[in-house]
Amino acid sequence: QLQLQESGPGLVKPSETLSLTCTVSGGSISSSSYYWGWIRQPPGKGLEWIGSIYYSGSTYYNPSLKSRVTISVDTSKNQFSLKLSSVTAADTAVYYCARVSTYYDFWSGYYSKDAFDIWGQGTMVTVSS
Amino acid sequence: QSVLTQPPSVSAAPGQKVTISCSGSSSNIGNNYVSWYQQLPGTAPKLLIYENNKRPSGIPDRFSGSKSGTSATLGITGLQTGDEADYYCGTWDSSLSAGAVFGGGTKLTVL
Repeated sequence: QLQLQESGPGLVKPSETLSLTCTVSGGSISSSSYYWGWIRQPPGKGLEWIGSIYYSGSTYYNPSLKSRVTISVDTSKNQFSLKLSSVTAADTAVYYCARVSTYYDFWSGYYSKDAFDIWGQGTMVTVSS
Repeated sequence: QSVLTQPPSVSAAPGQKVTISCSGSSSNIGNNYVSWYQQLPGTAPKLLIYENNKRPSGIPDRFSGSKSGTSATLGITGLQTGDEADYYCGTWDSSLSAGAVFGGGTKLTVL
C-alpha cells in the first residue's frame, strides 16, 4: 500500500533554511486524484498546515508562513519537498507529509481537496544553535 | 489560536459514549467537508472520518461524524481504553488561501 517517508536534518541553526523531503512509495505522486501536503506539530501543541502541492506544481501555502515556504515536486523521483527559510525556535516541530484525497464538486465542476488520508510517520526538527 | 474550536478535553468511562464538537465559520466548515483525525501518543495522526460522516476502510462503526451548519461532531460509542488519544477536526477554508485548517485538538480520557 502507499507509504510516505519524511527525511532531512533533525537539527537546523537559527536563520538557516529547513529542508525536508517526502518520498512516496507504493503509488505514483503523479496521480491526478491527489494533492500532497506538509503539516507540522510543535511539541505539545496542535496541527498546523504548512502547504500543499499538486503533481503539476500548483502550490497552496499557509498565509502565515507563505513568505518563508517553498514546496516543490519531483515526479521522476516520486518525491515532494519542503523548504522553510529564516527559521527560529518557533519552527521546532514534528513535520509530517501527507496525501490529500479529492472529491468531485458538482457545484464548481472541479475536483476539490478532501482529507489527509495517508500520513508519514513524521520527523522531528529542532531549531537550535 | 486555532481557526476551528474544539474542547481541550473530554472523558468518559469504558463502554460509554462521548462526543467531541468542532466549531468554525461559513468560510470553512459551513462550505466544506469536515474530516476527523485520531492521534495516539507518539504517533502520526490517522484519518477517522472524511466528508463529514464517511469512515475509511478499517475504521470501526463505533466512530461517527456529523455536520450541521458551521459545526461538526465526532461521536465514539463503546469506549475502549485504546481510544485514549488526541482528536483533531479539519477542513478547508474558502478564503484566498484555500488552505487547510485544524481544530486545537481534544484529549480523550477513558476513565
